[in-house]
Amino acid sequence: AQSVAQPEDQVNVAEGNPLTVKCTYSVSGNPYLFWYVQYPNRGLQFLLKYITGDNLVKGSYGFEAEFNKSQTSFHLKKPSALVSDSALYFCAVRDLANQAGTALIFGKGTTLSVSS
Amino acid sequence: ETGVTQSPTHLIKTRGQQVTLRCSSQSGHNTVSWYQQALGQGPQFIFQYYREEENGRGNFPPRFSGLQFPNYSSELNVNALELDDSALYLCASSLEAAPGYEQYFGPGTRLTVT
Repeated sequence: AQSVAQPEDQVNVAEGNPLTVKCTYSVSGNPYLFWYVQYPNRGLQFLLKYITGDNLVKGSYGFEAEFNKSQTSFHLKKPSALVSDSALYFCAVRDLANQAGTALIFGKGTTLSVSS
Repeated sequence: ETGVTQSPTHLIKTRGQQVTLRCSSQSGHNTVSWYQQALGQGPQFIFQYYREEENGRGNFPPRFSGLQFPNYSSELNVNALELDDSALYLCASSLEAAPGYEQYFGPGTRLTVT
């Protein structure tokens, strides 16, 4: 079965420090991978995606993610965290078993808390 | 450019009742997907509508149904509400139905079933 795992419920970092939010996936085929962020009382906002090509993907707000096929991982990173980055982060993979092209399987989410 | 909007914001229904949630897609987007997000969980895919047709469904029973209109707006209907249907319902639109297009989400409708 296809799945996405976010092993950490919460990540705490100090402002200015680098941050990493982890994601691993399991799919039977080439993965389409996404990161979304959710702020309180708001919908999800798209950050970045990996479809093919360069393993390092750059996205919105200074975030980037590295696709690692051998480790089946797609970790989200940022060189210098901001307090305003504090939010709930979701990793998602396209559901290859669903005919709908937009069907995504989401992880449970990781709460990022950046302290000043 | 207008983003994805959803109505109502909050809704309280009684078990057994029926509910209709509405979504207006982002300008230029022809594909709408609906997701259910239970408390503390990631969103779960319900179904996708492309050019007024359902063309993919997640693991949800038939009492979850939808519509898409010629202007690409959409409705989610849930019949015979159960307590477990209490969740945040998210609508997302994308430029096309093909894989790889990013989805733009609305703020959601919070449904409480008592």
